[in-house]
Amino acid sequence: NAGVMQNPRHLVRRRGQEARLRCSPMKGHSHVYWYRQLPEEGLKFMVYLQKENIIDESGMPKERFSAEFPKEGPSILRIQQVVRGDSAAYFCASSPGELGYTFGSGTRLTVV
Amino acid sequence: AQTVTQSQPEMSVQEAETVTLSCTYDTSESDYYLFWYKQPPSRQMILVIRQEAYKQQNATENRFSVNFQKAAKSFSLKISDSQLGDAAMYFCAYRRSQGGSEKLVFGKGTKLTVNP
Repeated sequence: NAGVMQNPRHLVRRRGQEARLRCSPMKGHSHVYWYRQLPEEGLKFMVYLQKENIIDESGMPKERFSAEFPKEGPSILRIQQVVRGDSAAYFCASSPGELGYTFGSGTRLTVV
Repeated sequence: AQTVTQSQPEMSVQEAETVTLSCTYDTSESDYYLFWYKQPPSRQMILVIRQEAYKQQNATENRFSVNFQKAAKSFSLKISDSQLGDAAMYFCAYRRSQGGSEKLVFGKGTKLTVNP
């Protein structure tokens, strides 16, 4: 049973480009969470999704950021028109709906 | 606002010795969960230990144990018989539940160095 799979592991984008980060939850997990980690900081909550539904996006910047978790396929965190300040590690966690969060290894986004 | 504070940015310990990492939190909830996560250089977030607030007994996982003081809102992690592989960033986290949502609120972390 594979863990939470995130790809790519590293992503480099030029300012103004789009970044797409993918997260495949553990088998049987229907809850997905996205967190962002800036250098020397802890993880900060961004968004909580269940299949085809956004439950809580209170941690998402109002512009340029969006997330989805379709019925089929991975969850996607999309950042449009990236800026240098978007450079960070982005983590996905999944859960079966009860306590038991499993984290992926993260995607490190570098904006140049 | 719910917050988690780790007052020790860095700690070091000798191999085989014991070290305690501090964590305090703020919440108005009466029932909640607390966690310690380990993040080695590989960046993977690994669950070390979990504590339910309604349980008075401190959680223990092999060499890892917690000292949970609910009234003081303190949740420290004790690592016994430290090993080189314990070197990592350690994050304390609180599970916040509100309005049908849930999320983890993390502290800023403590970098643990284990000296041979």
